[in-house]
Amino acid sequence: QSVLTQPPSASGTPGQRVTISCSGSSSNIGSNTVNWYQQLPGTAPKLLIYSNNQWSSGVPDRFSGSKSGTSASLAISGLQSEDEADYYCAVWDDRLNEYVFGTGTKVTVL
Amino acid sequence: QDQLVQSGAEVKKPGASVRVSCKASGYTFTSYGITWVRQAPGQGLEWMAWISPYTGNTKVAQKFQGRVTVTTDTSTSTAYMELRGLRSDDTAIYYCARDTSYQLLSGTYFYYMDVWGRGTTVTVS
Repeated sequence: QSVLTQPPSASGTPGQRVTISCSGSSSNIGSNTVNWYQQLPGTAPKLLIYSNNQWSSGVPDRFSGSKSGTSASLAISGLQSEDEADYYCAVWDDRLNEYVFGTGTKVTVL
Repeated sequence: QDQLVQSGAEVKKPGASVRVSCKASGYTFTSYGITWVRQAPGQGLEWMAWISPYTGNTKVAQKFQGRVTVTTDTSTSTAYMELRGLRSDDTAIYYCARDTSYQLLSGTYFYYMDVWGRGTTVTVS
C-alpha cells in the first residue's frame, strides 16, 4: 500500500489535455522534490519529469509537472496515441527513509 | 550512450538466493548511485535499495532488510543485487537504474533515476 495516491486511470482523445494527480504527505511531497516516470507496455520505466517540473532529456514539453503543498500533478497536453502508458509519481519519504512510488495511473487514448 | 545492461532471466526454487548484475557503460560509474526497483506481475514499482559506487554506502527498504545485499565492483563498473530466502511473491522484474541524489542545506532531498536497465525477470517456483 503506497503512501502516494494516484487515480488508477485517466483518458482523453487525441489533442486533449489530461492531468494526473499524486497525493502525499508532509514527510514526502511536502518536503522533497517529485519525479514522474512513464512506463510503456512491456518496457522499463523512463524518467519524464524530475525535481517537480524539470524535463528529462528528450521529453517533449507537452508533459509538465507541478507541486503544491503535499500534492503534485502531471499534465499531458496535446495527447497522442504514443502517450498510452502507465505513469508513476515518486519522491523520497523522510519518515520511512525510503523512496516511494505512487500507485500508478494508466492513461488511455480514446 | 549511457546504459545499464542487466543479467539474464532466472528461475529459482523457494528458499534459494538470486544475484542480479547490472553493468554500466558510457559514463563514470562512481559519479552516480545505483538504485534497484522491482515490479511484480501486473503491479506497480517498488523501491528496494540504493548504493553509492563511490563510497559504498547503501540504503535498503525496511521490507527487504536482512534479505537484500547490494554491492558494486568499480573495476568492472558493475552493480549487484542479491535477494535471499526467495518466496513466490518475489517473482518480479528487477530493474537497476542510475540515480542522482543530493540534499540541500534546507533538508530538501533530490533523488531521481534517469537511466534504467531493461530488467531481469526472476521467477520463484
